[in-house]
Amino acid sequence: SQQGEEDPQALSIQEGENATMNCSYKTSINNLQWYRQNSGRGLVHLILIRSNEREKHSGRLRVTLDTSKKSSSLLITASRAADTASYFCATDWAGKSTFGDGTTLTVKP
Amino acid sequence: DVKVTQSSRYLVKRTGEKVFLECVQDMDHENMFWYRQDPGLGLRLIYFSYDVKMKEKGDIPEGYSVSREKKERFSLILESASTNQTSMYLCASSPPGQAYATNEKLFFGSGTQLSVL
Repeated sequence: SQQGEEDPQALSIQEGENATMNCSYKTSINNLQWYRQNSGRGLVHLILIRSNEREKHSGRLRVTLDTSKKSSSLLITASRAADTASYFCATDWAGKSTFGDGTTLTVKP
Repeated sequence: DVKVTQSSRYLVKRTGEKVFLECVQDMDHENMFWYRQDPGLGLRLIYFSYDVKMKEKGDIPEGYSVSREKKERFSLILESASTNQTSMYLCASSPPGQAYATNEKLFFGSGTQLSVL
């Protein structure tokens, strides 16, 4: 089965609100990455957090990692309509990057 | 910017045909990957490669093979296409990470939507 699982599967919010997505995984990791995918396109890397880190920031993105709980969260602050997309976590271990099922975020203007 | 180019955006093939999906990257990345993406199943790794002429099976290699004759090109081959291989295929490349056998940032192509009839 897939290494990562995102929660919720779908999220709908109003512009300006914050969006939080969660990712759980099952085995050890070297790092965890978050990607964004616009409809029908390839994925774009957003942010990386290493296994020895607990929190990272990049612009409006904040990622946390709890290796004891095998979970991560992605927070997008002050969301915009342009943030509408699917978001995936990917865990890296043993040379492979394994993706979760994704969270579909809809930001309403 | 890194560019990963997949040869076809849409492809329609018949059951039993041999299908080649081509992927080329222009940043001299060592690592290359093939995933398929299906609704509700996320991305699943088919094969990956860390060097020319080497390949490793991913999580769902059955029914697929790959070829990496040159560093920049990684081809996915469906020996005899079947309807259950209808899917979006995504190629990715990455430079090596800080530690051995790690990946820190994958660069994806735009994908090939394959329909097998």
